[in-house]
Amino acid sequence: ETAVFQTPNYHVTQVGNEVSFNCKQTLGHDTMYWYKQDSKKLLKIMFSYNNKQLIVNETVPRRFSPQSSDKAHLNLRIKSVEPEDSAVYLCASSDDWVNYAEQFFGPGTRLTVL
Amino acid sequence: SQLAEENPWALSVHEGESVTVNCSYKTSITALQWYRQKSGEGPAQLILIRSNEREKRNGRLRATLDTSSQSSSLSITATRCEDTAVYFCATGFASALTFGSGTKVIVLP
Repeated sequence: ETAVFQTPNYHVTQVGNEVSFNCKQTLGHDTMYWYKQDSKKLLKIMFSYNNKQLIVNETVPRRFSPQSSDKAHLNLRIKSVEPEDSAVYLCASSDDWVNYAEQFFGPGTRLTVL
Repeated sequence: SQLAEENPWALSVHEGESVTVNCSYKTSITALQWYRQKSGEGPAQLILIRSNEREKRNGRLRATLDTSSQSSSLSITATRCEDTAVYFCATGFASALTFGSGTKVIVLP
């Protein structure tokens, strides 16, 4: 099965802890993304990663950092989580990063910060 | 502020009826995408419509694009319960795709 896989599905943690989310795509794509979706369903791109080139959204706090071992994996680490980090984090991939390529999304990881 | 915005915020229809979601955007575009997100899933692309196209169809789905008014619409005919989802329009290149806030569509039996 070719798709975008994310783990864990849910994660509950306390303020100040570090968390890490995993994403793997088996679509053979070169480009992967992380999005944050808030409680109002607003989707905002956080990072785009094409091979070894990372594009950082300037509005993303520095406690967020993407980590990639190869083009099929893009993890997200959050150092010292804050309450406003509670959201669904969606990973996506596409076979092109400069044109209007379809993005394929994983099911998301729901983070709750207590 | 959002570069793209859908309206209405939410609506409901009965199975078999048609439904239309509207999108307004603020920048000039080369293409616009429509995505659907069902509960517990990530968004999935439905249609990509380019600026030189006024209409595009995909089965029961029909998207229109009016670049002069910077607006697009997505219509679904013969709705089914499984069409219940949040519908988003999205603009921009793949590396900078910007989504609207979405329209929640509920299809009642």
